[in-house]
Amino acid sequence: DTAVSQTPKYLVTQMGNDKSIKCEQNLGHDTMYWYKQDSKKFLKIMFSYNNKELIINETVPNRFSPKSPDKAHLNLHINSLELGDSAVYFCASSLEGARGTYTFGSGTRLTVV
Amino acid sequence: DAKTTQPNSMESNEEEPVHLPCNHSTISGTDYIHWYRQLPSQGPEYVIHGLTSNVNNRMASLAIAEDRKSSTLILHRATLRDAAVYYCILRARGGGSNYKLTFGKGTLLTVNP
Repeated sequence: DTAVSQTPKYLVTQMGNDKSIKCEQNLGHDTMYWYKQDSKKFLKIMFSYNNKELIINETVPNRFSPKSPDKAHLNLHINSLELGDSAVYFCASSLEGARGTYTFGSGTRLTVV
Repeated sequence: DAKTTQPNSMESNEEEPVHLPCNHSTISGTDYIHWYRQLPSQGPEYVIHGLTSNVNNRMASLAIAEDRKSSTLILHRATLRDAAVYYCILRARGGGSNYKLTFGKGTLLTVNP
């Protein structure tokens, strides 16, 4: 049983398209996150949801819209894809609190051509 | 999150102990020290965390200096599978967005056979 699962694993699409990445966790965690890892391997947080409520939005272009239908799911929709959006996107989940440890998914490699 | 400083890279031989240092001189009294690692082509993985006392788990040990301004992640017997980027991260106990994990550059550990 995969704890945090993301789909798809790979996504190749043309500039200007709209795409979605889905994430689901079965750990009973109350907080979920999206991270972006660029070609230089820096991991940057994008969004965080706690109990379906947005609590972190790290200056991400509004072409990126997260949606959390319930505590176990956090999807990422991206409009009008640009070349610079090419990266690996990681979903993660945790229990709220400084002691809560994160569990990450295996990532979605997005390539915009 | 408070800043941490780690060496860019370290090398070890298989089956030898590895000590990965981290400096966090601006740590506050309520910051937890977390360690994560990212193996090639995978999502980050939780390793260990602590507050004041040294901690042991099946993966590693965490030695925290008495003044908490530095810590060391100890892998007791490195294997080739331990080759990864290791991140030392401080997590504030504040509310909301203060819980976020902020990744730095980490230490790239190379394990030689």
